Amino acid sequence: GQQVMQIPQYQHVQEGEDFTTYCNSSTTLSNIQWYKQRPGGHPVFLIQLVKSGEVKKQKRLTFQFGEAKKNSSLHITATQTTDVGTYFCAGRLETSGSRLTFGEGTQLTVNP
Amino acid sequence: GAVVSQHPSRVICKSGTSVKIECRSLDFQATTMFWYRQFPKQSLMLMATSNEGSKATYEQGVEKDKFLINHASLTLSTLTVTSAHPEDSSFYICSTRGRGLYGYTFGSGTRLTVV
Repeated sequence: GQQVMQIPQYQHVQEGEDFTTYCNSSTTLSNIQWYKQRPGGHPVFLIQLVKSGEVKKQKRLTFQFGEAKKNSSLHITATQTTDVGTYFCAGRLETSGSRLTFGEGTQLTVNP
Repeated sequence: GAVVSQHPSRVICKSGTSVKIECRSLDFQATTMFWYRQFPKQSLMLMATSNEGSKATYEQGVEKDKFLINHASLTLSTLTVTSAHPEDSSFYICSTRGRGLYGYTFGSGTRLTVV
């Protein structure tokens, strides 16, 4: 069954509001990656987190990896209409080699 | 950066026919290619992992004889949907990782419609 869970499934925000999506794994991850998929497009790699408690920033995006390496979050500050899309977390389980297990994704819509 | 070219982007076929989808790594060698299926507004479900020169590894519940995967070279992997049925209509997408790169690069996807 699904081993990487992601919430919320949908998020509607007004432009300028913040947005956060959360990812939880039932098992320890060797690393976690985040992808963005625009409507009609394909997933595009955003970032990878490897270390316990790691925090990385990309402009308005902040990514965190939990201390137990079982959860992660993506936070967008002051959303813009260009942020629209579905954000997926994808974990590499310690027992699954190079295979990625994707979360269900969070579909973000931004009202101008 | 790594580029994966996937063709065709869209295909409509009649029920019972077969469709071949190609993924080519343009500027690197892809020893492993992952094939996913994505239904509307849903996540990516891994179907199989293809390794150059060896048999593909299929996920539980994926029919090997229906979804034929060939990875004959380091730059080309193909997925053939045999005897397609309307329930096979979906978005199929390949992915691989170039050496030294962290993230996985995805092809642009193939939207298959079986009528």
